[in-house]
Amino acid sequence: EDQVTQSPEALRLQEGESSSLNCSYTVSGLRGLFWYRQDPGKGPEFLFTLYSAGEEKEKERLKATLTKKESFLHITAPKPEDSATYLCAVQARGGSQGNLIFGKGTKLSVKP
Amino acid sequence: DGGITQSPKYLFRKEGQNVTLSCEQNLNHDAMYWYRQDPGQGLRLIYYSQIVNDFQKGDIAEGYSVSREKKESFPLTVTSAQKNPTAFYLCASTDRGKLFFGSGTQLSVL
Repeated sequence: EDQVTQSPEALRLQEGESSSLNCSYTVSGLRGLFWYRQDPGKGPEFLFTLYSAGEEKEKERLKATLTKKESFLHITAPKPEDSATYLCAVQARGGSQGNLIFGKGTKLSVKP
Repeated sequence: DGGITQSPKYLFRKEGQNVTLSCEQNLNHDAMYWYRQDPGQGLRLIYYSQIVNDFQKGDIAEGYSVSREKKESFPLTVTSAQKNPTAFYLCASTDRGKLFFGSGTQLSVL
């Protein structure tokens, strides 16, 4: 069964304290792995797509990496405005483009 | 500005009542999706449509219905058969594999 597991469930950081979020997946053929950011009461906002092991993408303080079994979202010197829930999702081969399998998310809190 | 508009923001359903959630997009995307989000759970796919007048069931379609009469619109009806409708409902469309979401509708039971 295709599955996505995110850890930790919640993470509290001090401003400037770098850390990483983990997304482990089992899927019958990976077409893509996606990271989203979700603020309370709002829809998820697209961050990154990764397609193959070894691929990396960066955006401001965020960097996403991918291996054959997991993905990491590295947050460098976070600021309070980075506080949100970060969602990981995978698209399996054979599924339609928007038919993604989502993890439960990691809730990040960054204190000043 | 292009985007996905969901309405209403908050909706309340009485016992035995059907309610309809609106989703409109002006991104000219062919495919549209409805996801349900429960606290502490991953998003789950309810229905999707890849083209006008066609749609497919997702993982949790029971108790829901949809229509796709126009490319821009993909309304979701939560029927009285859905016994646990309280959730945050998200509409989305895709462009080159990326899902773009609306701002969501919070449905609660009175």
